[in-house]
Amino acid sequence: EAQVTQNPRYLITVTGKKLTVTCSQNMNHEYMSWYRQDPGLGLRQIYYSMNVEVTDKGDVPEGYKVSRKEKRNFPLILESPSPNQTSLYFCASSFLIEDEQFFGPGTRLTVL
Amino acid sequence: DQQVKQNSPSLSVQEGRISILNCDYTNSMFDYFLWYKKYPAEGPTFLISISSIKDKNEDGRFTVFLNKSAKHLSLHIVPSQPGDSAVYFCAASRPKGAQKLVFGQGTRLTINP
Repeated sequence: EAQVTQNPRYLITVTGKKLTVTCSQNMNHEYMSWYRQDPGLGLRQIYYSMNVEVTDKGDVPEGYKVSRKEKRNFPLILESPSPNQTSLYFCASSFLIEDEQFFGPGTRLTVL
Repeated sequence: DQQVKQNSPSLSVQEGRISILNCDYTNSMFDYFLWYKKYPAEGPTFLISISSIKDKNEDGRFTVFLNKSAKHLSLHIVPSQPGDSAVYFCAASRPKGAQKLVFGQGTRLTINP
């Protein structure tokens, strides 16, 4: 089954404790992206990757890091999480930016 | 700076009638537009798209209209069904060189029986 998986689905952590949210896709997509969804703001892009070892900032990259060492994986790293990073996070992938993007089920992160 | 705006946070429509969701954008360089549908506790799913060289695209009960001069697009759902109740996001793609996707804030559509 073609899918994008994210782990964990729910996470409660404390300020400053490094965490990683994993994202994996099994569709051999070149393009992957991370978004956060906040009330009244919709989905905002954090980082995206055009291919292995090629990443670039989206609209809200501050406080986040990503890596793309393999085509299928695109982890989101929060080196020192803060409460303003409490949000619902989605990973997505597609062949090209204008193609249909397949989204993961989301990760709800709470930073205390 | 919200480049893609959905000014109606919510919309309520009777089953069987037409639902019209609106979206405005400010950047005339956007060249591809998409609509996504999101149910609670799930990721968004692609619904329909349109290229800036077209003014209409239809897929079953869903039609997207693009008015480039007004920088406005709309999604028409007819007839509306209870399963259409969801949050709808419009999104715009910047020129290929920038390779970014910008989403609106979303509109919650409720279809009443």
